This record gives sequence, C-alpha cells and structure tokens, in this order.
Amino acid sequence: AQKVTQAQTEISVVEKEDVTLDCVYETRDTTYYLFWYKQPPSGELVFLIRRNSFDEQNEISGRYSWNFQKSTSSFNFTITASQVVDSAVYFCALRPASGGSYIPTFGRGTSLIVHP
Amino acid sequence: GAGVSQSPSNKVTEKGKDVELRCDPISGHTALYWYRQSLGQGLEFLIYFQGNSAPDKSGLPSDRFSAERTGGSVSTLTIQRTQQEDSAVYLCASSLGPPGAGYGYTFGSGTRLTVV
Repeated sequence: AQKVTQAQTEISVVEKEDVTLDCVYETRDTTYYLFWYKQPPSGELVFLIRRNSFDEQNEISGRYSWNFQKSTSSFNFTITASQVVDSAVYFCALRPASGGSYIPTFGRGTSLIVHP
Repeated sequence: GAGVSQSPSNKVTEKGKDVELRCDPISGHTALYWYRQSLGQGLEFLIYFQGNSAPDKSGLPSDRFSAERTGGSVSTLTIQRTQQEDSAVYLCASSLGPPGAGYGYTFGSGTRLTVV
C-alpha cells in the first residue's frame, strides 16, 4: 500500500518569505517516482517535478527547490522569495516504478497563500 | 489537441439523474486516469486505462460509477443515479507510456459536478 502525507493543510506567508511544503510518503516498492503538482485557482494541475527513488540529488529550478531524503521518506518542496502568483494548492504524489500498478497516489494537498 | 480536454466544465444535475463526463486526452498518450477531488480533499483515484489492457477499476466507489475508453482515446465517466455525495471536481489525466517509465501526467481542467 502507498500513502502520501502532506501534514500542512494551509500555509500563509507574506511575499518574499521562503516557504517549505512537506511531503512524507510510505511505500513497499523499492523503486518509485515522486511528483509535485501545482493547482492554481483555475483548477488545472500543473506538473512541477518528477524524481526517481534511486536519485537523491536535490534539484533547484529558479525559486523552486526540492529536497529528497530516502532515509526519512520525505520529498519536501521549498519556494524561495515567494510571490503572490505562487498561491495555489500543491500536491505531492507517489507512483511505483515497477509492478502491476502504476497508479499514482496523491497527498491531500497544501494550500499556500502568499499575501502581498 | 495541445492538452487534456474535459467537458462539460460545469454540470449541475438533480439527484437521481445520470451524468456523463468526457475526457479527451493528449493524442498519443496511452495512459488515462480519472480522479475525483472533493472539497478540501485530495485526489481520489477512480479508474485507470492503459492501452488496450483491461482497465483498473479498483478506485470506483460504487457500481453506479463506470467508465469506458473508446479506440484508446476519448474516455467517458458515467455516474448513474447521482447522489449529493457525488458532488466534486472530476479530473482526467493522461500520460505518455510505457508504464514504469516515470512520465508525468497532464491533467485537464476538470468537470465540476454539483448534485442538487
């Protein structure tokens, strides 16, 4: 069974603050993929990143960075110098890389509100 | 098309009526998923189609829900005898195969279903 936990239901910050969105997962699979998606008010989920379980290198893309730690089963997402346009619901997801089921499991999402 | 298209974008129906929701995935994407997003909840998996294989229906909440995918392309999710608890946003996503390759998912904007 797979489980993705995003313990933070809602985070409120002021523009230019840094913010970290937590994601903790559970899986019995030895190889898997982790994802982050952004869901702005328009509703459509936007793909942000995919990470292989065997690649623990952290990644930075502009103001976004991801910290993958297999030892703690966490895949946290940090936004540096947040902006109002970052306001959205962010989802973390997990999917096995092999086996019979390729169905991704999503967390409940974290609603980020960035105030001007 | 350029993205995943869902129709209608909004649907209001009376309790007990049947509804059909349509998803037109990205051309060439072999995998298609239906998810449901209820207010304040995460993404609940409903059904998964992969190529010509039998669909994974393990997420369908009851036998009132069914889905089909014709010609490996367009999919229709049908809810019979709708109940108020069926009110949610129904999201469709497609992915470029093959399974296990770790491709990301492209989501549609969803259909907001309201059962009154």
